[in-house]
Amino acid sequence: KNQVEQSPQSLIILEGKNCTLQCNYTVSPFSNLRWYKQDTGRGPVSLTIMTFSENTKSNGRYTATLDADTKQSSLHITASQLSDSASYICVVSRASGGSYIPTFGRGTSLIVHP
Amino acid sequence: NAGVMQNPRHLVRRRGQEARLRCSPMKGHSHVYWYRQLPEEGLKFMVYLQKENIIDESGMPKERFSAEFPKEGPSILRIQQVVRGDSAAYFCASSPLSGLDREDTQYFGPGTRLTVL
Repeated sequence: KNQVEQSPQSLIILEGKNCTLQCNYTVSPFSNLRWYKQDTGRGPVSLTIMTFSENTKSNGRYTATLDADTKQSSLHITASQLSDSASYICVVSRASGGSYIPTFGRGTSLIVHP
Repeated sequence: NAGVMQNPRHLVRRRGQEARLRCSPMKGHSHVYWYRQLPEEGLKFMVYLQKENIIDESGMPKERFSAEFPKEGPSILRIQQVVRGDSAAYFCASSPLSGLDREDTQYFGPGTRLTVL
């Protein structure tokens, strides 16, 4: 069964601190892995995308890693800001009949306190 | 360049009524995806469309749900005879590239929150 599991479910940190979010998946055949940020009441916004051959990808203060052997990914946020408070969603796509179908994790809810 | 637009943002229907959700993709995008997000759940893929074609509807319930993306106008997700379990946020996303492209990035709309009374 194609699944994406994220941990922790929720996380509270102080402004300026770093944090790491985890994603484990069983999606097959693997195509790519994305991390999205979803603010409350809004649609997700793409942060990073990695294919099989990529181990790490950065976007400003966001750094994603991928270990395709263990089927794990992480999203590291450096020097957190209040605006980082959001849900972070791991999405793994599989090839299916000529297109790529995404499986979404439930997300990690991050709260950054001043 | 306006982003993906969805309307209405909020929709209330009574059981048995029909719900029609609209999605206008970003300018230049010809690929549209619909997702459903139940409370406390992750987004679930429903259907992938290109202009006038349904490419993949493996996530769409077999009954009461249908989607279209006509040559002109927005994509429509239609739910007939709604039930309380249909209450959810429905998100639309569009992309400029084909779903065949590994680097394809989807741009999401703000969603339509459907409440069935």
